[in-house]
Amino acid sequence: AQTVTQSQPEMSVQEAETVTLSCTYDTSESNYYLFWYKQPPSRQMILVIRQEAYKQQNATENRFSVNFQKAAKSFSLKISDSQLGDTAMYFCAFTSYNQGGKLIFGQGTELSVKP
Amino acid sequence: EAQVTQNPRYLITVTGKKLTVTCSQNMNHEYMSWYRQDPGLGLRQIYYSMNVEVTDKGDVPEGYKVSRKEKRNFPLILESPSPNQTSLYFCASSQGGGIPPDTQYFGPGTRLTVL
Repeated sequence: AQTVTQSQPEMSVQEAETVTLSCTYDTSESNYYLFWYKQPPSRQMILVIRQEAYKQQNATENRFSVNFQKAAKSFSLKISDSQLGDTAMYFCAFTSYNQGGKLIFGQGTELSVKP
Repeated sequence: EAQVTQNPRYLITVTGKKLTVTCSQNMNHEYMSWYRQDPGLGLRQIYYSMNVEVTDKGDVPEGYKVSRKEKRNFPLILESPSPNQTSLYFCASSQGGGIPPDTQYFGPGTRLTVL
């Protein structure tokens, strides 16, 4: 069965600094998709970034980028120039053709950005 | 505005009293899904629907029912709620029918407490 693991329950970073959130996953499939979702205190789930496994290039969205290591089954999120509004719970998620659209989530990492 | 809406946003009820959480999307999405979020467990899928009149169980379907009579609506029904169903519930939708996987967009969440 596919699993997603986020080993850092909590992290903190100073405003304007860079922070990296870790995510590892386990699958025997070769075609899959990975996501990072942000959940601020409002509890809304917001898509941050998406990566298709067949793409070698790491996805980027403004200050957010990923380091996708397919062989190591690792999918970390880097937040550059951290802002107070980045304070949130971050979830890593996996899906594939065989999941029927289901997203498999990690446990989440609570990120605090300190002024 | 393209969105997924859920009602109610907050609900406190008692054991055994039937309730329905509504979900509606205005994006003409084929795929809809329900997740529950519990601390330390991330989000887990309850039920999903790839199209009208087509629904299937996710990972934690016990105690829940769904229906998909119209494309835009996907209500979650708890026939006899129990305290272990106290959780934060999310409805999500995506353009594709799950194959290939498409980005899912989430509703604002419903905080349910069962006493």
